[in-house]
Amino acid sequence: SYVLIQPPSVSVAPGQTARITCEKNNIESKSVHWYQQKPGQAPMLVVYDDTDRPSGVPERFSGSNSAREATLTISRVEVGDEADYYCQVWATGSGHYVFGSGTKVTVL
Amino acid sequence: EVQLVESGGKLAQPGGSLRLSCAASGFAFDDYGMHWVRQAPGKGLEWVSRISWSGDSLNYAASVRGRFTISRDNAKKSLFLQMNSLRTEDTAVYYCVKENSDSPDYGMDVWGRGTTVTV
Repeated sequence: SYVLIQPPSVSVAPGQTARITCEKNNIESKSVHWYQQKPGQAPMLVVYDDTDRPSGVPERFSGSNSAREATLTISRVEVGDEADYYCQVWATGSGHYVFGSGTKVTVL
Repeated sequence: EVQLVESGGKLAQPGGSLRLSCAASGFAFDDYGMHWVRQAPGKGLEWVSRISWSGDSLNYAASVRGRFTISRDNAKKSLFLQMNSLRTEDTAVYYCVKENSDSPDYGMDVWGRGTTVTV
């Protein structure tokens, strides 16, 4: 089965930078996408196609992708950024979609 | 306003069946692939199934293949998930989700609020 590995939690002080990694574990894929999910809400797309942001998502959210690992960076973290974050890829070989294990971001 | 509204979730017995529906509005439904994604209580997101815009291409997670069937009615702007042979591990919130583009690899940009299935 396909697994994307994320750290279970990341803690960051307001105004600092949070980095969330997503290890792709040899899954053959092209792009990585990231979602934010706040308690009791549906997920929301915050970065797609490795680096692009949907309209309305602050520039503080940025993404990068390499052969082994993708990273979501949240700059100038705000209290409102506290949420669970998930990476996601399309495994091109199988046609399956895979979500990461999720990272809980806590703003201290 | 772009919107997805799920319905059909309820309490079911192991081995039973349920049919989930999703009503789409505010966008050209027949231009986009659609997904079902689920989330068990206190757990992460799990992709369940995808259907292409035309309905010709179907994909399923290994955990539901052979038991669940995804379908769509473009004329009625509706997505469906027929769930048979339900197991306790199918208990989750089920989200109806729209693809971000007419390509299958640009993420999922619109999510419904979810419907709860308890087995």
